[in-house]
Amino acid sequence: NAGVTQTPKFQVLKTGQSMTLQCAQDMNHEYMSWYRQDPGMGLRLIHYSVGAGITDQGEVPNGYNVSRSTTEDFPLRLLSAAPSQTSVYFCASTRGGYNEQFFGPGTRLTVL
Amino acid sequence: AQSVTQLGSHVSVSEGALVLLRCNYSSSVPPYLFWYVQYPNQGLQLLLKYTSAATLVKGINGFEAEFKKSETSFHLTKPSAHMSDAAEYFCAVSAAAYNQFYFGTGTSLTVIP
Repeated sequence: NAGVTQTPKFQVLKTGQSMTLQCAQDMNHEYMSWYRQDPGMGLRLIHYSVGAGITDQGEVPNGYNVSRSTTEDFPLRLLSAAPSQTSVYFCASTRGGYNEQFFGPGTRLTVL
Repeated sequence: AQSVTQLGSHVSVSEGALVLLRCNYSSSVPPYLFWYVQYPNQGLQLLLKYTSAATLVKGINGFEAEFKKSETSFHLTKPSAHMSDAAEYFCAVSAAAYNQFYFGTGTSLTVIP
């Protein structure tokens, strides 16, 4: 059981470039989420999904797209990277209800 | 709406001393509350959770937290700090019906030898 996996671990982009952060879970969880972590701001929800084919916006969705074609995968796309998107990105999954979220190891993204 | 406030972005304690990390929540529905720990350059790991079964919740690594509805608090404690407890701690609240988690801004714990 790998849990929640994220790739890449580190990424450096130039302003205007696009990329996809990958997230996968092998726990058959319906709910998946993307967060960004910035110093002094805790974790902020970018997008989330309550099942395959269903996604919704979180607190800070601008500049990001998501899709959920399978239960296992929930990629996050940066359309046109900006320096303000320099952050650490975490993917999480949960069975829902009152169950806890399981987090991946994170992707550290720098936009120059 | 749900939110959490963590008082004190940095807390320092001596090794062997009591650890107290504060968390207050706001919730329009009965809350589910969580404490997570993040070690440097790692993801978040669950310490403990409150889901209305018992007000005093015991977690891993000797941590516990008490749910106090009258004070809307869910403070994290550990009787005796260990050097390995140095990390970032996050309190989170969830409204189960919507399954969205709201995290506090975190408290960085330093343990002084």
